[in-house]
Amino acid sequence: EAEVAQSPRYKITEKSQAVAFWCDPISGHATLYWYRQILGQGPELLVQFQDESVVDDSQLPKDRFSAERLKGVDSTLKIQPAELGDSAMYLCASSFDRGTTSYEQYFGPGTRLTVT
Amino acid sequence: AQKVTQAQTEISVVEKEDVTLDCVYETRDTTYYLFWYKQPPSGELVFLIRRNSFDEQNEISGRYSWNFQKSTSSFNFTITASQVVDSAVYFCALSEAGANNLFFGTGTRLTVIP
Repeated sequence: EAEVAQSPRYKITEKSQAVAFWCDPISGHATLYWYRQILGQGPELLVQFQDESVVDDSQLPKDRFSAERLKGVDSTLKIQPAELGDSAMYLCASSFDRGTTSYEQYFGPGTRLTVT
Repeated sequence: AQKVTQAQTEISVVEKEDVTLDCVYETRDTTYYLFWYKQPPSGELVFLIRRNSFDEQNEISGRYSWNFQKSTSSFNFTITASQVVDSAVYFCALSEAGANNLFFGTGTRLTVIP
């Protein structure tokens, strides 16, 4: 069964350092999402891609976060510099969404980031 | 603006009991989608069900069933004869047509005691 791949699974970094997360969606899924989940809360959208284009990055802290999906397949999310408040689980999801129809999103295992 | 409320923060049941997880949503759109996801201790979100706003038919899948009522803006989830493996955090989520991103509730932690 096809899965969303993410790496690394765990990352510990010191504040002010740069970190990067990678996601490979399910083959054929045009839409890719990055969510952030703080402990005890539901995931919140950071950025949404349709193919290689950003559809929604309104909740992405653009002063320190960046995301790209250059060839419309895999994606990288970067934080520079990391802050203590960035400690969270970073989840990648993909779906077959096209147009206005929302299909189920399939999630990867996530990257648990700890900033010290 | 959209909103999803899961008022039950934590629920504990004894194995084989039935349990219902509540979800109430708010949206101004007439076309929207509702979802339930399971997040076991491993952390990965597992898709359970998707419903669109025009389909109020209840659904049953094995021990799982869902009750969608537009009149009360609710999409409740019932597990029949609960098992220890059902222990997880369950999230209800809403997506508005065109936006497609999921807006999650705060989750309900279910503990099934053997």
